[in-house]
Amino acid sequence: SQTIHQWPATLVQPVGSPLSLECTVEGTSNPNLYWYRQAAGRGLQLLFYSVGIGQISSEVPQNLSASRPQDRQFILSSKKLLLSDSGFYLCASGQGARTEAFFGQGTRLTVV
Amino acid sequence: GENVEQHPSTLSVQEGDSAVIKCTYSDSASNYFPWYKQELGKRPQLIIDIRSNVGEKKDQRIAVTLNKTAKHFSLHITETQPEDSAVYFCAAPSGTYKYIFGTGTRLKVLA
Repeated sequence: SQTIHQWPATLVQPVGSPLSLECTVEGTSNPNLYWYRQAAGRGLQLLFYSVGIGQISSEVPQNLSASRPQDRQFILSSKKLLLSDSGFYLCASGQGARTEAFFGQGTRLTVV
Repeated sequence: GENVEQHPSTLSVQEGDSAVIKCTYSDSASNYFPWYKQELGKRPQLIIDIRSNVGEKKDQRIAVTLNKTAKHFSLHITETQPEDSAVYFCAAPSGTYKYIFGTGTRLKVLA
């Protein structure tokens, strides 16, 4: 089965600082990759998804961006963090919306 | 696109009782319906799923039922135990690549 590596597990960043979260996938090839954000006690908000190298679809306009430089690598970035960017960021991998999605361990980001 | 509604948002049951969580979806073309369990501070994990060619699927104390006509599917947990306490999310596909998740149900099993 797939394994999703996501780091760091926790991160505290000041407002206005940059962000880079990395996700790598093992055990599969040509996966669809996803970034979700979960505010405290809330649901899963889809931020970006990618169906291939260099292909990024944005779901929510905001100060975040995503890149997929390799087949099994997905990166979430920001040039300047806002307080509202705080949350639990989850990377996920799947083989289409009609199969199981596998989630990484998540990164808990606190912007101060 | 797909819209998924999930109810209730919170659910408290006595240990040993049953719990039922319901989701409705809007896209009649949707054909795959997973349920995920998320324990506090952890990642969501698939606990059961159902495809539209069946009406019910069971795995020990967990079952999922699907009503394609009414466009709703439900998670049933019988003989609940304290370790069942978690947030449960339903999901449905939106197009080929995206999953749309419900807003989650916080289940508390009271000992």
